Amino acid sequence: AQTVTQSQPEMSVQEAETVTLSCTYDTSESDYYLFWYKQPPSRQMILVIRQEAYKQQNATENRFSVNFQKAAKSFSLKISDSQLGDAAMYFCAYRSRNTNAGKSTFGDGTTLTVKP
Amino acid sequence: EPEVTQTPSHQVTQMGQEVILRCVPISNHLYFYWYRQILGQKVEFLVSFYNNEISEKSEIFDDQFSVERPDGSNFTLKIRSTKLEDSAMYFCASSVGLAGTEQYFGPGTRLTVT
Repeated sequence: AQTVTQSQPEMSVQEAETVTLSCTYDTSESDYYLFWYKQPPSRQMILVIRQEAYKQQNATENRFSVNFQKAAKSFSLKISDSQLGDAAMYFCAYRSRNTNAGKSTFGDGTTLTVKP
Repeated sequence: EPEVTQTPSHQVTQMGQEVILRCVPISNHLYFYWYRQILGQKVEFLVSFYNNEISEKSEIFDDQFSVERPDGSNFTLKIRSTKLEDSAMYFCASSVGLAGTEQYFGPGTRLTVT
């Protein structure tokens, strides 16, 4: 079974600065997807960014980018020019391509605080 | 932009009562999911549903849980006899296809069992 580990329960960053959230995962599969979700206090789950394992190029979405290290099974999220609205819980998630169900496996989450 | 909707947003029920949580997935999506998040904890997979059948379920999804797609639009999660430990946020999600496509999450239903 796949597992996802987020080793940082809490992180804080000064507004306009850069922060990196860590995520590692364990799998025996070679073909999968990785995601970062943002969960603000409203508890809505919002997709931030996704990475296909077969792509070597790291995904980017505006101020959000990932550092995907497949061999190390590491998938970190970098938030540049942090904004107050980035404050939320962030979840890393894994999703296999070799499945007939398509479920996602989530990490424990990292609470990000943005200081003005 | 199409979105997954869930009702109610907050449900309070007494222990032992039955509850039905409702979801309307995005209209052209074929795969439906329920996840649970106990306050302060990770999001956990409960069940996936495709072609009117359960595709996969977790160990959490025991006999007190059931899912149904009663018509062409709704997808429901029923908890037959609620327990205190069922108190959580329940998220519905849907996707067009399987792992290669994005899962869209609904806003969640907060279930409080007293």
